[in-house]
Order: sequence, then C-alpha cells, then structure tokens
Amino acid sequence: QKEVEQNSGPLSVPEGAIASLNCTYSDRGSQSFFWYRQYSGKSPELIMSIYSNGDKEDGRFTAQLNKASQYVSLLIRDSQPSDSATYLCAVNTYNAGNMLTFGGGTRLMVKP
Amino acid sequence: GAVVSQHPSRVICKSGTSVKIECRSLDFQATTMFWYRQFPKQSLMLMATSNEGSKATYEQGVEKDKFLINHASLTLSTLTVTSAHPEDSSFYICSATTGSYNEQFFGPGTRLTVL
Repeated sequence: QKEVEQNSGPLSVPEGAIASLNCTYSDRGSQSFFWYRQYSGKSPELIMSIYSNGDKEDGRFTAQLNKASQYVSLLIRDSQPSDSATYLCAVNTYNAGNMLTFGGGTRLMVKP
Repeated sequence: GAVVSQHPSRVICKSGTSVKIECRSLDFQATTMFWYRQFPKQSLMLMATSNEGSKATYEQGVEKDKFLINHASLTLSTLTVTSAHPEDSSFYICSATTGSYNEQFFGPGTRLTVL
C-alpha cells in the first residue's frame, strides 16, 4: 500500500464547475498536509497547507482534512482552464523530520 | 512567499562529463534542502536530503558517489552529477524548507540532457 494515494485521473470538469481532488494517507502520525500544483514541464508550486481537522479556505481553493479517516481533499471553485495541471498531495509524518511524502498526483483538465 | 532559485535552468552535456546544479534560497535561510528527480509523466522522486554543514542523506538506490551534494551555507546547496550518462537525463528539482510547519518551496528545476 502506498503511503499517500491519489487517483491519477485525468479528472475532467467544465469551466466554472467545482473540481474535487482527493488524497488518502496511511500513517496516522501524519501532522502536516500540503497541496502542490505542477504545470507540465514546471516545478511544483505550493498552493495550500493544512494542519488541523476541518476546512481551510484561500480564494477559490479549500483544503479539507479529516485525520480520523486519513483523508485530505482540495476543492477548486469556479474552475478555470488555467487550473489545468497536476495536483500533488504531500504529507509530513511525525518521524520524518522535514521530509514530505508525495502522492502520484491527479491530473486535472478544465474544459472551456 | 519564499523564493528558491536554481541554475542552470537547462543544460546539455556530453556523456562522461560532470554537471553542477545550484539551488539557492533567496529570501530565507533554509535549514534543509532536498533534491528530487522527475522523469517524464512520473511523480517526484526524492534523491537526497541536505542539511547545512553536514553530509547529505541519500535515498535507497541513489548513488552518493555519482550525485555529489554540497550544502555549504544556509542559502546554497549544489548537486553535481558526475560522469553523466544518457540515463541521467531528467528534470532535477530542489526544494528548501525553513523548518517551520515543514513547508517545502521548490526551485524552478533544471532540465538535464546527456548526449
């Protein structure tokens, strides 16, 4: 079982819709959770971080964390074609120091 | 946000030569820097973790004598690919963390092509 799992996609949504990206993790000791966006041929860009259960909103992005279910998600409201990218979920576990474990990423396609 | 630079952004070299890639944190001091490699359509693969003033910690399967890492200061880490071969052609990305909340900030990456 992979430590951090994501559906590889592609997830296709129409412009203006809500895109929902999901991630599960295996280590219950995980403490920090991150979402990165990676455009093709570019490096990852940090877009959201979340550390406690519940929702965290930043503009069109909402991160949701449920530690009991070992589940973290990213919602993108009013999706735009420019949101089309691969979204990487990353998790820091208690014994890992500063290391992050990355999921394989979900490719999002927003169609005009 | 925190800014990390990498140089060069793209390099083409002949097989057998060595290539040095620099990673700098521009507006913060990085307690730890990380080096990743990413092949086309694959996920990030952590190569090594580097702390200032100490030896790098390499992931399993990564040859430390081939991928030399030097972390001379809190703002600079270098990765040298020695005796490069075509199979080393990849996208090399560094990241840096301040240690607060474990956030990692990535550099723009270096695309290495070995002929």
